[in-house]
Amino acid sequence: QVQLQESGPGLVKPSETLSLTCTVSGGSISSYYWSWVRQPPGKGLEWIGYIYYSGSTNYNPSLKSRVTISVDTSKNQFSLKLNSVTAADTAVYYCARVAAVRGVIRAFDYWGQGTLVTVSS
Amino acid sequence: DIQMTQSPSSLSASVGDRVTITCRASQSINSYLNWYQQKPGKGPKLLIYAASSLQSGVPSRFSGSGSGTDFTLTISSLQPEDFATYYCQQSYSTLYTFGQGTKLEIK
Repeated sequence: QVQLQESGPGLVKPSETLSLTCTVSGGSISSYYWSWVRQPPGKGLEWIGYIYYSGSTNYNPSLKSRVTISVDTSKNQFSLKLNSVTAADTAVYYCARVAAVRGVIRAFDYWGQGTLVTVSS
Repeated sequence: DIQMTQSPSSLSASVGDRVTITCRASQSINSYLNWYQQKPGKGPKLLIYAASSLQSGVPSRFSGSGSGTDFTLTISSLQPEDFATYYCQQSYSTLYTFGQGTKLEIK
C-alpha cells in the first residue's frame, strides 16, 4: 500500500520561502508523476504542479513564477518550494500521486494526510 | 483554464436517499473527469475515474456518468459514512482544475 507523508515547517514568515517534502513509502517513486495540491482553510482544492520521477515539471501558471518542485529518487521523496509567500498562501498542503488510470487519463490516486502551513509574522 | 462548476454547493439528505451531484466543464473534456470524497481533516479519496470507472475498494453504491461537458456522481443509497465533501477534477488539460466542492450534510 503506497503511503505519502508531508513534512516541513508549519509557520512561515511573509516574503520567505515555504519548503515541504513528501516521503513515499510502500512503493517506488519511479514511473509516476507526483503532485502538490493545496487547500486554504474552508475552501476548495488548488493544483500547484507536478513532477515526473525523471525530473520534468509542470506548474499551475498562477503560481509558476514562485514554485519549484524537485525529486530525489534515492530517498523516494519529492519537494515543494514556494517563495515570496503571503497570507494568501496559508493552506493545507497535500502531496499526491498522479496515476494513468485509463490510457492517458490521469487521476490523483494516493494522497498524503496534508500539512497546514500558516504564513504569519 | 478549464473551469469546473459543481451543483449544488451543499446538499442535505437522509440515510437511504439517492443523491446526485453535477459537474459541468467550461469546454469539452471527453471523459477526463474524476470524482473525490473528502472528510474533515483528511486528504481526498479517489472514488470515480474517467467519468464512470469505480476505483478499487469503493462501494458500488457510487457511480459516475457523463462525457463532454456534463457529468454526474450518484450515490444510490446514502450511508452514514458518505456525509462528506465531493469534488470533481478534470485532467483533460495539464492545468488540472477542481470543482468548488459539494458538501453533503445529514438532514
